[in-house]
Amino acid sequence: DQQVKQNSPSLSVQEGRISILNCDYTNSMFDYFLWYKKYPAEGPTFLISISSIKDKNEDGRFTVFLNKSAKHLSLHIVPSQPGDSAVYFCAAGGTSYGKLTFGQGTILTVHP
Amino acid sequence: GAGVSQSPRYKVTKRGQDVTLRCDPISSHATLYWYQQALGQGPEFLTYFNYEAQPDKSGLPSDRFSAERPEGSISTLTIQRTEQRDSAMYRCASSFSPTRLNTGELFFGEGSRLTVL
Repeated sequence: DQQVKQNSPSLSVQEGRISILNCDYTNSMFDYFLWYKKYPAEGPTFLISISSIKDKNEDGRFTVFLNKSAKHLSLHIVPSQPGDSAVYFCAAGGTSYGKLTFGQGTILTVHP
Repeated sequence: GAGVSQSPRYKVTKRGQDVTLRCDPISSHATLYWYQQALGQGPEFLTYFNYEAQPDKSGLPSDRFSAERPEGSISTLTIQRTEQRDSAMYRCASSFSPTRLNTGELFFGEGSRLTVL
């Protein structure tokens, strides 16, 4: 069963606009959430995280929102830049020490 | 080392052969993880080490898969009697410690792509 889901395989956005990437989870035991970004031929790199005790965390152009009642989180990128074009993975942790559960990824393309 | 290093980057093998993949984590990192990533999917947890201890190997798909980290640094993932369904990207990651994981401090290597013919 897919405990972390990213239902949009891809997203295309104009440079300067907002990119919103979504993630849903089913396991209420998850207590922290992360977003990773992956460029071709590279490993995923950490972008931003949020603990379940918060509903928002901001880092520069990146903001993650958590809605625990809906078991939903989103990543907002404002303004989007062509260099943001990558695969974005949502991940969740807290059920087992040392283990993250990843979503399938969303390919973001930012057009100049 | 400066980053997580994995080898080989690409491995093509015939069904039934054994393969060993290697991971050299960031030198100050106590914790090392192995993930399997199928095409178009996110990484899936296989196992992790805290120094040389292996507290969780619940994600290993079968007893054909095993991992070692005998001296608490370099780790190997061995797949015996490979099958076509084992074809995937195998990603190693390291972190300072499991207790820091919730801050996102998990650093991935570039991966080893295994193709079983």
